[in-house]
Parts: sequence; C-alpha cells; structure tokens
Amino acid sequence: AQSVTQLDSHVSVSEGTPVLLRCNYSSSYSPSLFWYVQHPNKGLQLLLKYTSAATLVKGINGFEAEFKKSETSFHLTKPSAHMSDAAEYFCVVSDLGSSNTGKLIFGQGTTLQVKP
Amino acid sequence: DTGVSQNPRHKITKRGQNVTFRCDPISEHNRLYWYRQTLGQGPEFLTYFQNEAQLEKSRLLSDRFSAERPKGSFSTLEIQRTEQGDSAMYLCASSLQGATGELFFGEGSRLTVL
Repeated sequence: AQSVTQLDSHVSVSEGTPVLLRCNYSSSYSPSLFWYVQHPNKGLQLLLKYTSAATLVKGINGFEAEFKKSETSFHLTKPSAHMSDAAEYFCVVSDLGSSNTGKLIFGQGTTLQVKP
Repeated sequence: DTGVSQNPRHKITKRGQNVTFRCDPISEHNRLYWYRQTLGQGPEFLTYFQNEAQLEKSRLLSDRFSAERPKGSFSTLEIQRTEQGDSAMYLCASSLQGATGELFFGEGSRLTVL
C-alpha cells in the first residue's frame, strides 16, 4: 500500500530565506508523487508532480522537488520564501493499484509560516 | 469561473438531520472524487465516479453516506442522521481520465453538526 509521511507539521521561515518541506513515501510500485498547496479559503492546487521522468521536478511559483529513490524522499524546496507562500502543503502519492482510479493519498500536511 | 464549484460552502445542522452537498465539476472531466478533511489532517478519500458509475467507496463511507452522479455531470453527497463526528470539510475534485494525480479541487463544503 502507498503512503506518505510529512516529517514536519509546522515550518517557519523568514521572507527571502530558503524553504524545505520534507516528505517520505512508501510504495509497492514505482510511485507517482505530488505536492499540493492549500491557501486559506481556497481549493487545493497542484504545485508539481513526479511521474518517473526527471527526478528533479519544477513546479509553479518557484517550487521544486527532488525524487530520491534511495532515501524514499520527495522534499519540496524553494530558494527564497515570499509572504504569499504561507499556506498548508500536502505531499501526495497516487494509489496505483490495479484499478488505477487516480485516487490520491494525502500526507497530514505541513503549515508553512513566512515571517516578514 | 470554470473551476469546480461546491454548494453550500457552509452548513450548520443539528445532530440527526440530513444534509446534502452538491459538486459541479469542470465540464469536460469524466472523473469525480469526494474527500473529507478534518482539522489538522490531510484529505481522506471517500468515493470516486467515472462518468455516472460509482467505482470505489472507502470504508470511511458508512451506510449513512450516499453519493450520486446521475448524468455523469454534477454529483451530490448526502449524509443521513448526521452525527457530531461528521463535522468536517467535504471536498470535491474532478479530473480527466489518464491525468494521473492532476485533480482540480473545489473550495469545499464545511459541515458543522451541533
């Protein structure tokens, strides 16, 4: 069965400093992994996805993530945080069982706080 | 706006009452999902439709919950005899078949059961 574990429930950074949100995955298959972002009172939005092509994936708003099979990790990074990055971030794995429903399995989320 | 639309956005009800939520997906999307999100947790899968067929239901979806997508367009999620434990955000998402993981979410319907 697929699962993801987000290692930090809360991360606080200063504006202009790097962001690192950590995620480890467990999968019986070659996984498809995603990061979604949820701003207050907004719908969840796809930031980026990894589907077995390049291991370094670039997403929207300057975010990127690196798939490391040896470490079973898919950490999300951004070189310089902006105030608008403050939100809840979810690491997600696609449930690639035989039915291939496209169902997503979410981590518990990491709240990113950006201080001025 | 051509995104996923959910109504109502907020619902407060008394324990034991029935509630119904509606989801209008992006028009060309044939897949529709319902998720539930409680405070401090990630969304949990409830059920999934491909066109009008309900193809998977989570064991989280008790007998009091029923979902429909009668014409393969909008969907409804009904909760009968609500309990306080049903209080949560109910999220709807849609996608194209084959677009693995690329779900488009609505803003959710928040249920509070008193």
